Amino acid sequence: DIQMTQSPSSLSASVGDRVTITCRASQGISNYLAWFQQKPGKAPKSLIYAASSLQSGVPSKFSGSGSGTDFTLTISSLQPEDFATYYCQQYNSYPWTFGQGTKVEIK
Amino acid sequence: EVQLVESGGGLVQPGGSLRLSCAASGFTFSSYEMNWVRQAPGKGLEWVSYISSSGSTIYYADSVKGRFTISRDNAKNSLYLQMNSLRAEDTAVYYCARWDESMDVWGQGTTVTVSS
Repeated sequence: DIQMTQSPSSLSASVGDRVTITCRASQGISNYLAWFQQKPGKAPKSLIYAASSLQSGVPSKFSGSGSGTDFTLTISSLQPEDFATYYCQQYNSYPWTFGQGTKVEIK
Repeated sequence: EVQLVESGGGLVQPGGSLRLSCAASGFTFSSYEMNWVRQAPGKGLEWVSYISSSGSTIYYADSVKGRFTISRDNAKNSLYLQMNSLRAEDTAVYYCARWDESMDVWGQGTTVTVSS
């Protein structure tokens, strides 16, 4: 199985900060990577697919990059509604696997 | 409005069975591949199972293989997860999710608790 490792596991940031979350795959997954945002008690929300493609309706402050084994999710200017947990997920091969999550908290 | 609504969760004893349903609306259900994803209390997301649009191709996570069965009824716009031989570690919120280059639409989830 492909293991997905996110870093950091949590971070504290202020409104307006630029935030970057990294995701590393245990083997190459081309660009078959997605990013999700989840708020407490809610279903995950799709942000990015194919490593860098923005899901319809998602604001452009979210961006993704990477290919192979190393990927990043960047939030250009953190807003109060962005405080949540973020997950990466590979869909290169079954079983699909998620990272352990990165919790973004208010500083 | 594109929507997925799960149902069928509840409290079940270890070794018991439960059938989850996911009702789709607002899109042509028969054209889309579907998935089940779960989240144990306080934990991360775990992919559980995939089914192709026709139902001809199915995959499972090793943790549920041989115990869970995914199926769909395109005439009823519904996705199912039959869960047998349930264990305490199956306790989770179960989400159905549509696949369109990503798991782009998710239901609100249904809670399964396995406990005596």
